[in-house]
Amino acid sequence: GENVEQHPSTLSVQEGDSAVIKCTYSDSASNYFPWYKQELGKGPQLIIDIRSNVGEKKDQRIAVTLNKTAKHFSLHITETQPEDSAVYFCAASKGGSQGNLIFGKGTKLSVKP
Amino acid sequence: GAVVSQHPSRVICKSGTSVKIECRSLDFQATTMFWYRQFPKQSLMLMATSNEGSKATYEQGVEKDKFLINHASLTLSTLTVTSAHPEDSSFYICSAMTSGGPYEQYFGPGTRLTVT
Repeated sequence: GENVEQHPSTLSVQEGDSAVIKCTYSDSASNYFPWYKQELGKGPQLIIDIRSNVGEKKDQRIAVTLNKTAKHFSLHITETQPEDSAVYFCAASKGGSQGNLIFGKGTKLSVKP
Repeated sequence: GAVVSQHPSRVICKSGTSVKIECRSLDFQATTMFWYRQFPKQSLMLMATSNEGSKATYEQGVEKDKFLINHASLTLSTLTVTSAHPEDSSFYICSAMTSGGPYEQYFGPGTRLTVT
């Protein structure tokens, strides 16, 4: 079945450094790739998304890249701050529906001051 | 914009009782809402897709009669855990998908259910 692999499972960086989280997906029909940030005890928060008609999207310190040929997409956070510490989930749409999402297992990011 | 609320945020119930969780899209209409379950330190597991005015679509392995879903309006979906047991204790999260394109999915803050 459809699958999304996410790496690394944990990531520790120094404040100010960059953080990169990578995901691969198996469903070639997937066309929507959101990233969510989840803080402890809270629901996931949509931080950025990308659709298959673009290769890169940036929003301030956050950027996402998509390589449809290789079926992988990545989240890049620059100038990390302690408040970026959280669990980040990537997701890929199930087929072309954009509704049903398949989630990666999450990456726990720790930013040390 | 794009705010989704859930109520209650925490609930403790006795084994055998039923619990209802509400999910509301506060500033947009959502034809489709989703219900997820999340175990500690794990990813989100889709339980069912809820479409306004029609029956929910359940994922494989999710008991329809145990997890009753009602999506009576474009801003409200409810999940009722019937005859709850301790193994139903979990973090339940809903999400709502914007009706007009581009489609985006926004999550509620979650409901922590503890069955004693």
